Amino acid sequence: QVQLVQSGAEVKKPGASVKVSCKASGYTFTNYDINWVRQATGQGLEWMGWMNPNNADTGYAQKFQGRVTMTRNTSITTAYMELSSLRSEDTAVYYCARMGWHGDLDYWGQGTRVTVSS
Amino acid sequence: EIVMTQSPATLSVSPGERATLSCRASQSVSSNLAWYQHKPGQAPRLLIYGASTRATGIPARFSGSGSGTEFTLTISSLQSEDFALYYCQQYNNWPPITFGQGTKLEIK
Repeated sequence: QVQLVQSGAEVKKPGASVKVSCKASGYTFTNYDINWVRQATGQGLEWMGWMNPNNADTGYAQKFQGRVTMTRNTSITTAYMELSSLRSEDTAVYYCARMGWHGDLDYWGQGTRVTVSS
Repeated sequence: EIVMTQSPATLSVSPGERATLSCRASQSVSSNLAWYQHKPGQAPRLLIYGASTRATGIPARFSGSGSGTEFTLTISSLQSEDFALYYCQQYNNWPPITFGQGTKLEIK
């Protein structure tokens, strides 16, 4: 069965970086894009960007341009999202999600809570 | 960027009754629209894609309709486990993918 398993919670200081991992299993990793979505407390879902695991192409939401980097390691079927220059407003739960053939997000990771606090 | 607007923000419905949630796009997204259910502490769950196709394992009480700019998610005969947040999402013109702000479905 398709599974996306994310790394554990993180606490970071303002200005630091965080790197969240997303381990995929149960399907051919390089056949489906991985997207990253976050949800701050009391807020809705916010799309951050996507990555094609086959060729490493990426596309980022304008809001995160210059601060986010999405990468992958195909040998261990894992995607990564790194966010730099963290500020308190980046405190949120971060999700990876597989993009299905239709463009929907058909499988999601369990979420990683990132807390930014001095 | 296509803006998705959901209404109402909060919907109070009694168990066993029908719930109707709306989603409007700022420009046509054809039928490239999905609906998700999100419960606290859990990952979002895909309910509907292509505006009206239920995802694998989704009960038949969930149905989607609409095309272009106006969409509806209907949940017939609400069960206790259906009370949650619901989001629509367009993928017709991306990037960026855009979500609505969500509708909270609560017990009346």
